[in-house]
This record gives sequence, structure tokens and C-alpha cells, in this order.
Amino acid sequence: QVTLKESGPGMLQPSKTLSLTCSFSGFSLSTSGMVVSWIRQPSGKSLEWLAAIDWDGDKYYNPSLKSRLTVSKDTSNTQVFLKITSVDIADTATYYCARSPEYGGYTLFAYWGQGTLVTVSS
Amino acid sequence: DIVLTQSPTTLSVTPGETVSLSCRASHSIGTNLHWYQQKTNESPRLLIKYASQSISGIPSRFSASGSGTDFTLNINNVEFDDVSSYFCQQTQSWPTFGSGTKLEIK
Repeated sequence: QVTLKESGPGMLQPSKTLSLTCSFSGFSLSTSGMVVSWIRQPSGKSLEWLAAIDWDGDKYYNPSLKSRLTVSKDTSNTQVFLKITSVDIADTATYYCARSPEYGGYTLFAYWGQGTLVTVSS
Repeated sequence: DIVLTQSPTTLSVTPGETVSLSCRASHSIGTNLHWYQQKTNESPRLLIKYASQSISGIPSRFSASGSGTDFTLNINNVEFDDVSSYFCQQTQSWPTFGSGTKLEIK
């Protein structure tokens, strides 16, 4: 059974760096065809894809946010991380990690975590 | 960027009705369009992939069609459990989502 769970700081101040962790089970990111993405959603609004990393370590970023984003994975291939630099109030959102179907690329999201709410406030 | 415009913003229907939700792309995207359902305080769930392909475990009441720039999600015999927001998402280029349609039951 594929499960994903996000964790983060809950709240942080503007200008800081946001660090998020996606811990998952039921698959290994070392398996060919696996991709994990980060997607966020401000309260009451739509979804915004942020970044993805695949089994081969290739990384994909939202061009609008690329300069602020860094996606990575751990050596055990059971966690994916996202860092967002210089956060501001507009980064307040629920952050999801999601996995694509096997060989589904980084653009289809079949399995989702429960999300973690991040509030940027001074 | 490819912009997806969904309509209507909100839809209020009676149980048993059949409804159609629209998603229009700013550029042709072939059939690179997926649909998600999101219930209040839940994560999105993949409903339909590549414009019309069904997903295992999704009720057959949900179907979709379209290609190019115009896409439709159909829900037959709407049930109370269908109260949700529905989002389309394109995969022609880096992923973007529509603004969503909120389905309410009268």
C-alpha cells in the first residue's frame, strides 16, 4: 500500500527558508519509473505544482518558482525534501507530496499525502 | 504557460441529475488533461486521466471527454457523496491546474 506523509514547521517568518519532508512507504524511489512531486494549495484556492524528483535523481521545477526551490531525496529513497527560500505571506498554503503512477512521468498524480499546512507570518 | 479555465465556478444540483463540468485550455493540449476530485479538508483524488481514461476504483458514474482545448467531466446520477471541488490539470507542459468547479447538492 502506497502512503505518503508530509511534515513541516507549521509556521515560519517571512524571508526564512521553508523545509518540508515527504516520508513514504509502499514503494522505493530507487525503483525505475517512480516520481514524487510537491504541490501546494492556498486555503480556498486551486493547486500549484512546485517540483518533482524521479528515481534517477532528475529534478523538475515550476519555472515561475525555480529560483527559490530545491528538491532532493535521501539515500535510502524513502524521503523527498523541498526547500523554498525567502518565503513570504503568499507561500502560506497546504503542501502536498504526490506520487505518479509507475512510468507516469512527473505530470500525473495518483497517490497523495494528507498535506501539511504552512503559515508564513511575522 | 498553459492556462485552464473551468466553468461554472459553482454548480448546485439535485441528487440524480447528470452534470457536465467544463475545462478549457488556452492552447491545444491534445488529450493531456486529467481530472481530480477534492472533498473538503481532504487531498485531491485522481478521477480521470488523459482526458477520458478511467481510473481503477472510481465509480462508473464519472466519465470525461474532449481533446485540443475543450474538455468535459460528466457525472451521472449525482449523489450526496459527490459534493466536492473538481480540478482539471494539464500535462502538455509543466503541470498546471484549473481554478476548479465546486459542486453542491440542493
